[in-house]
This record gives sequence, C-alpha cells and structure tokens, in this order.
Amino acid sequence: TQLLEQSPQFLSIQEGENLTVYCNSSSVFSSLQWYRQEPGEGPVLLVTVVTGGEVKKLKRLTFQFGDARKDSSLHITAAQPGDTGLYLCAGPAVSNDYKLSFGAGTTVTVRA
Amino acid sequence: ETGVTQTPRHLVMGMTNKKSLKCEQHLGHNAMYWYKQSAKKPLELMFVYSLEERVENNSVPSRFSPECPNSSHLFLHLHTLQPEDSALYLCASSQDPQQGFLQETQYFGPGTRLLVL
Repeated sequence: TQLLEQSPQFLSIQEGENLTVYCNSSSVFSSLQWYRQEPGEGPVLLVTVVTGGEVKKLKRLTFQFGDARKDSSLHITAAQPGDTGLYLCAGPAVSNDYKLSFGAGTTVTVRA
Repeated sequence: ETGVTQTPRHLVMGMTNKKSLKCEQHLGHNAMYWYKQSAKKPLELMFVYSLEERVENNSVPSRFSPECPNSSHLFLHLHTLQPEDSALYLCASSQDPQQGFLQETQYFGPGTRLLVL
C-alpha cells in the first residue's frame, strides 16, 4: 500500500487568512482525491486530480497535483469558519484501483 | 432518508458485550465498505462487499464480523472487543468498484463512535 503523509497535522487561523495543506508520498499516484470531514460527519469528496501539474479550483479552494504525481496541495483563500474540518487526501492503493489509501489528515480550525 | 445512514451514532460497550453496527445506503449502489478511523491515524479499510459478496478482508481480527444481507444494508457484528478497538467506524458505498478509481466516488455515512471499556 502506498503511504500518504499530510502536513501540518493541525492548523488554526483567523477568518480571512489564507492557508495551504500538503499531501506527500514517495510513490507515484495515478490520481489523488481530497476529502473534507466535518465534526460528527463522514468524509465528503471535494475533488479528484488526475494529471501531473493539474490545478483545479472549487470556489475559494485551489487544488494542485505535483508534476511528478507524488504530491498535492490544497490552498484556501480568505478562509471562513465553514472551512473548519479535517482535510484528507487519498489515492488508489497499488493492487486494486477501488481501494483508497488515506493520509492521516490535517485538522483546520478557522476562528471567527 | 437519503445518502448513507449509520446506527447507532454512539456506542459504549464492555469487553464481554456483543453489539452490532448498522449501515444503510439509499443510493442504489452495489458496493459497501467498512472503515476504522482512529485519532491521528489514516482511515483503515476493513471490509469491502460488492454485490453482497465479500471481496476484501484486510486482516481484520475475527472479533469483527461483517454481514451484507443485500446491497443496501451492511452490518458489523462486534464481540469481545478490546479498548484499542475504540474508534469511529465509517461505512461507505459506491456504484461499482469494478469500474476503477476514477469512475468511482465513495459516499460515507456519519459514522458510529465506539468506546470499549
């Protein structure tokens, strides 16, 4: 199984500030997904990135897949309290495409 | 009800108890999954069912016993658990895992928070 490391583990910022969280691996991934998990809920898929160097935007969220497809980042512009949650990256495990290998996540807290 | 539901949402049990977690999906999907989420650790895939047949068992101890009576329902039967089994247990479903990762989106339920005393 390919391992995904996320950093930082925790991030607390003031409303209106920007933030970036990272997902790194020593292995090449064919694609990566980002999920957000709010307190008391299950993870919800935000985006899938497929092509090396790809950039996708979802309102104030910008996702980038590294050129070598070993890393990805999530940048949030002008964070709001509603962005609070656990951000998880996930990619396909080696042997079975449908199996997801998850990172441990970054807990983001946006203070009003 | 819509999406993926799980009951109970919270469960406290002793090490000698027997309990069951229930998951129901209202999305018409063919595959269902059990994951374990512990603090500061990545989600761990436990079991996968496709069309009611178990296709994955990730070396899970026998004190966890899954059951999938139909494509909409998934159970996790628990017995003689250990304190280290305390975690959030998440159920997920997807349309057809045979289509591969890119075509598949897994939809998660809210989870059952389990505490083993």
